[in-house]
Amino acid sequence: AQKITQTQPGMFVQEKEAVTLDCTYDTSDQSYGLFWYKQPSSGEMIFLIYQGSYDEQNATEGRYSLNFQKARKSANLVISASQLGDSAMYFCAMSLNTGNQFYFGTGTSLTVIP
Amino acid sequence: GAGVSQSPRYKVAKRGQDVALRCDPISGHVSLFWYQQALGQGPEFLTYFQNEAQLDKSGLPSDRFFAERPEGSVSTLKIQRTQQEDSAVYLCASCELGGTYEQYFGPGTRLTVT
Repeated sequence: AQKITQTQPGMFVQEKEAVTLDCTYDTSDQSYGLFWYKQPSSGEMIFLIYQGSYDEQNATEGRYSLNFQKARKSANLVISASQLGDSAMYFCAMSLNTGNQFYFGTGTSLTVIP
Repeated sequence: GAGVSQSPRYKVAKRGQDVALRCDPISGHVSLFWYQQALGQGPEFLTYFQNEAQLDKSGLPSDRFFAERPEGSVSTLKIQRTQQEDSAVYLCASCELGGTYEQYFGPGTRLTVT
């Protein structure tokens, strides 16, 4: 069975500080993709960053970086220099090259404190 | 360019009514996904289309749920004889190819069954 686990229901971070949102995954497939999405209160899912299972370098996109530890099956999202607009739900997701499904975690609610 | 659009944004249905939810994907996107997102949860996969072909419908919760994409662009998710447990946000996403690529999400339709 495929599974994504996000163990932090809620997180708080001071503005301008960095924060790490945890994600672990479970799959027996060798080829898969890992994604992070942001969902503000408006409801739309916004793509942030992608990591392929064969990528050796950690993915980075602006203030977002993905700390990929394959042996531990973890794909933590690091947000640097937090901004008030970063307050939202964050979902980790996994896709498999053998299928057409996305598996989402239960999400982490991030609140940035001024 | 235009993103994924969904209509209606909000739908209130009485138990037992049929509803139809529409998704307009990004032009040229081959793949289209439907998800159900219950309050406080991550999206759950419902079904997947590649062009007009429904390749995976394993996530549809019952035979009351039906999806189509007859011309390979616009898709409709139909729920017959709605039940209270159908209340959720229904998200549509599209992408260029299969599920290993970044998915672009619509704003969702919030369905409330009374």
